[in-house]
Amino acid sequence: AQSVTQLDSQVPVFEEAPVELRCNYSSSVSVYLFWYVQYPNQGLQLLLKYLSGSTLVKGINGFEAEFNKSQTSFHLRKPSVHISDTAEYFCAVSVGDYKLSFGAGTTVTVRA
Amino acid sequence: DAGITQSPRHKVTETGTPVTLRCHQTENHRYMYWYRQDPGHGLRLIHYSYGVKDTDKGEVSDGYSVSRSKTEDFLLTLESATSSQTSVYFCAISVKASEGNEQFFGPGTRLTVL
Repeated sequence: AQSVTQLDSQVPVFEEAPVELRCNYSSSVSVYLFWYVQYPNQGLQLLLKYLSGSTLVKGINGFEAEFNKSQTSFHLRKPSVHISDTAEYFCAVSVGDYKLSFGAGTTVTVRA
Repeated sequence: DAGITQSPRHKVTETGTPVTLRCHQTENHRYMYWYRQDPGHGLRLIHYSYGVKDTDKGEVSDGYSVSRSKTEDFLLTLESATSSQTSVYFCAISVKASEGNEQFFGPGTRLTVL
């Protein structure tokens, strides 16, 4: 079975600063990887996904993530955050069996 | 918007009472899921369905049952609600992508068991 570890539960950051959210996974087989964002009192929205091919994946709202197979990581980055990026971010993994395993989430708080 | 609605959106109930949450989709997707979201745990899969009357357990299925008599509806039932089932419940559907599949989520149901 696969599992996901999000290494930071809370990440405070100042507006226009860069941010990196760390995600590591464990799986013995090839995986698909996802980042979701949840704004306050809303459902989850897909930010980006890695299925195959280029290890650098670009998503919505200026986010990108890099798949590193040797380190079993899929870290999410944004070079300059806005107040509106305040949200909870979830990393998830699938082994193609139509089920997702989620990390515990990272809360990003952007301050002016 | 993947055409997913959940009802009710909020519910307060008492311990020991039965509760049914409904998920409705408009696009005839085969796979549907129920998750619960709790602080520090992310989302955990309760049950999922891969077709009408075809369901299977997830990692936290104890105390929950599901039914799917129509493609568009997936019901989650708490036969006798307990305080530990206070949570936010999300329904999701799976959409086939160019490779693999993607899940899209409904708006959630906030359930409080007193």
